[in-house]
Amino acid sequence: AQSVTQLDSQVPVFEEAPVELRCNYSSSVSVYLFWYVQYPNQGLQLLLKYLSGSTLVKGINGFEAEFNKSQTSFHLRKPSVHISDTAEYFCAVKTGGTSYGKLTFGQGTILTVHP
Amino acid sequence: NAGVMQNPRHLVRRRGQEARLRCSPMKGHSHVYWYRQLPEEGLKFMVYLQKENIIDESGMPKERFSAEFPKEGPSILRIQQVVRGDSAAYFCASSQAATGELFFGEGSRLTVL
Repeated sequence: AQSVTQLDSQVPVFEEAPVELRCNYSSSVSVYLFWYVQYPNQGLQLLLKYLSGSTLVKGINGFEAEFNKSQTSFHLRKPSVHISDTAEYFCAVKTGGTSYGKLTFGQGTILTVHP
Repeated sequence: NAGVMQNPRHLVRRRGQEARLRCSPMKGHSHVYWYRQLPEEGLKFMVYLQKENIIDESGMPKERFSAEFPKEGPSILRIQQVVRGDSAAYFCASSQAATGELFFGEGSRLTVL
């Protein structure tokens, strides 16, 4: 069985500072990895995904993530955050053997950007 | 192109009542997923449906919960005899193909008194 751990439940940061949201996964097979963002009272929006190829993945809103197979990590980064980035962020994994959208989510990290 | 539409957005039920949550997928999408988000937890997969078929219900509680996606109309998640522990946000997602990107609705927040 696979699992996803988001190491920080809350991350406060000042505007224009860099941020890293950490995600580790456990799986004995190949995986696809995702980051979603959830704004208050809204659904989840896909930020970026890793399926194969380059381990550095660029997404929307200036976010990027790096797949590290040896450390089983998929940390999300942004070099300079905005107030509008305040939201909850979810890391998710799908095993390579699953042909459909059955995702396992982490517990979420609440990013709060202060002025 | 409208996104995934869920209703009601908020639903309050007393213990023992039934809750029905509806999900209309995006136009052209025939794959629907239901996920549940308990307070301070991530989303948990419940069920995956295609039109008129349940493909994977491994995340559904064995009792009181059922889902359908009829040939016509929205997908329905039905919870009978609700208990306080059913209080959660229920998210629907749809995709155009089985391997396609999931698009999530805004969720239905169920409160059981």
